[in-house]
Amino acid sequence: GENVEQHPSTLSVQEGDSAVIKCTYSDSASNYFPWYKQELGKGPQLIIDIRSNVGEKKDQRIAVTLNKTAKHFSLHITETQPEDSAVYFCAASSQNTGNQFYFGTGTSLTVIP
Amino acid sequence: DAGVIQSPRHEVTEMGQEVTLRCKPISGHNSLFWYRQTMMRGLELLIYFNNNVPIDDSGMPEDRFSAKMPNASFSTLKIQPSEPRDSAVYFCASSPRGGQGQETQYFGPGTRLLVL
Repeated sequence: GENVEQHPSTLSVQEGDSAVIKCTYSDSASNYFPWYKQELGKGPQLIIDIRSNVGEKKDQRIAVTLNKTAKHFSLHITETQPEDSAVYFCAASSQNTGNQFYFGTGTSLTVIP
Repeated sequence: DAGVIQSPRHEVTEMGQEVTLRCKPISGHNSLFWYRQTMMRGLELLIYFNNNVPIDDSGMPEDRFSAKMPNASFSTLKIQPSEPRDSAVYFCASSPRGGQGQETQYFGPGTRLLVL
């Protein structure tokens, strides 16, 4: 089955700096890659996603890149703000496994004011 | 839309008691997922349903866990008897199952379960 690895597990950045979180996946059939943000005491919330037919997607300060050949995808947050502090999860999914998501282990991001 | 609704939000019970967690998916969504989250094991998929039918329950820890989806707007996850190691946050998520591509899952706020 699919195996998703996520790095780093913790990340601290100064406010205004950029943050990058990286994930790798094992199943070449995976074609959908969402990113979730989980704030303390809340459920994961989708922040951005990318499908395998594109290499990059951007939404304001957040961007995701996908390298299908290398089987890795990354989340980029620019101009970080204290409210970006949360746990971020990547996931991978393929039609072969229905709509099941395989999640990374999460990255705890702290933005220092 | 109200989003995925879960109840109760918090549950404290004693070992051996039956626990029932409830979920109302987003209207119109036809896939529903139950997850468990712990510090040690992260987010684990327990079971998921498509059109009210259980598709994959391989993540259910043992026979003490059972899940049902009697209709498109309601699902339950039951633990009987509960044990301290079941303490975790349980999430329900729903998704509009697409024809070709994969679809986003929308998570509820979770139920925080503590078994004493």
